[in-house]
Amino acid sequence: QVQLVQSGAEVKKPGASVKVSCKASGYTFTSYDINWVRQATGQGLEWMGWMNPNSGNTGYAQKFQGRVTMTRNTSISTAYMELSSLRSEDTAVYYCACAAGKLLIYWGQGTLVTVSS
Amino acid sequence: QSVLTQPPSVSAAPGQKVTISCSGSSSNIGNNYVSWYQQLPGTAPKLLIYENNKRPSGIPDRFSGSKSGTSATLGITGLQTGDEADYYCGTWDSSLSASVFGTGTKVTVL
Repeated sequence: QVQLVQSGAEVKKPGASVKVSCKASGYTFTSYDINWVRQATGQGLEWMGWMNPNSGNTGYAQKFQGRVTMTRNTSISTAYMELSSLRSEDTAVYYCACAAGKLLIYWGQGTLVTVSS
Repeated sequence: QSVLTQPPSVSAAPGQKVTISCSGSSSNIGNNYVSWYQQLPGTAPKLLIYENNKRPSGIPDRFSGSKSGTSATLGITGLQTGDEADYYCGTWDSSLSASVFGTGTKVTVL
């Protein structure tokens, strides 16, 4: 069965960076894009961008351009999302999801990132 | 800042039916497939409907989707207490070159 297992919760200070991992299993990692979506407490879903694990090509939402970097390590079927220059408004649960085209099929369990001084 | 608009909440008694609307524009719903996601309390979203009206394996036929013009609708019949969750519509926005989600709707079973 398809599983996306994300890294554990993080606490960061304003201005720092965070790198969240997403390990895929149960399918061929390079066959589906990985998308990242975040959700602040009590708020809706916010799409951050996508990465093609085969080519490494990426596409980021305008809001996060210049601050987000999505990478992968195909040898361990793991995708990464790094967000820099953190501010309090970045406190949220971050999800990875594997996608067929633009359809988010399976989601990871989420990683809580807290930004606090 | 969501570009897709949903009602904040809907409710009905067990066994009844609810519908959730999702309103967009020609750059998103009007020219792209719509999907729906169910988010149970404290869990990750789960794909419920794709390509406007298709159900993934394991999703009961109590859940249905439709699309007309720049709006889409999710229907849930035979409402159960286990259906209490937040529901989000989603699609691609060709103008933004981005995936977009609805504002989310909380379903309450009375």
